[in-house]
Amino acid sequence: ELKVEQNPLFLSMQEGKNYTIYCNYSTTSDRLYWYRQDPGKSLESLFVLLSNGAVKQEGRLMASLDTKARLSTLHITAAVHDLSATYFCAVDPDAGGTSYGKLTFGQGTILTVHP
Amino acid sequence: DAGVIQSPRHEVTEMGQEVTLRCKPISGHNSLFWYRQTMMRGLELLIYFNNNVPIDDSGMPEDRFSAKMPNASFSTLKIQPSEPRDSAVYFCASSFDPIFNTGELFFGEGSRLTVL
Repeated sequence: ELKVEQNPLFLSMQEGKNYTIYCNYSTTSDRLYWYRQDPGKSLESLFVLLSNGAVKQEGRLMASLDTKARLSTLHITAAVHDLSATYFCAVDPDAGGTSYGKLTFGQGTILTVHP
Repeated sequence: DAGVIQSPRHEVTEMGQEVTLRCKPISGHNSLFWYRQTMMRGLELLIYFNNNVPIDDSGMPEDRFSAKMPNASFSTLKIQPSEPRDSAVYFCASSFDPIFNTGELFFGEGSRLTVL
């Protein structure tokens, strides 16, 4: 059974600081996704990583994928309060094949950015 | 595009009552997923469909839960009878042909269910 583990689960940061959220998964996969969820809201897609070495950046967030290490990272640069949210990684072990795009999600990382 | 549309957004009901949650996927998407989110268990996949056919319902917690997708633009998740432990946010998500596309899931706003 595929396991997806994020760490840390809780992250309290000061504005202006840098930090990284890690996502480890237990089976081979070339597809990894990052989502953001604000309190009481839905999940919003942030990044889609589809190959080993893929790197995507949007504003202060950068995501990367190392399929050999079964690891993805979400790096936060110079955090601002607006980045406070819960961040999920999700894995498709079957590249959309017989699982028809079923994603297994990590537990989520609750990020709080303080002034 | 209107996105994935779910209804109702909030439902409060009493134990033993039937609950029906509805979902309209994004037009053209052919995979549909029902997830449940709670603080204790996080995001759990309940069931998913491809081209209106249920593929895997192993995440459905009990026989009290059932889901249908009668056509490409509509799905329901039914709980009968409901119990307090069913209280959660239920998300519907859809994606387009994940083999030839990115497989990105698009989520609805969720249905927050409270069973008293």
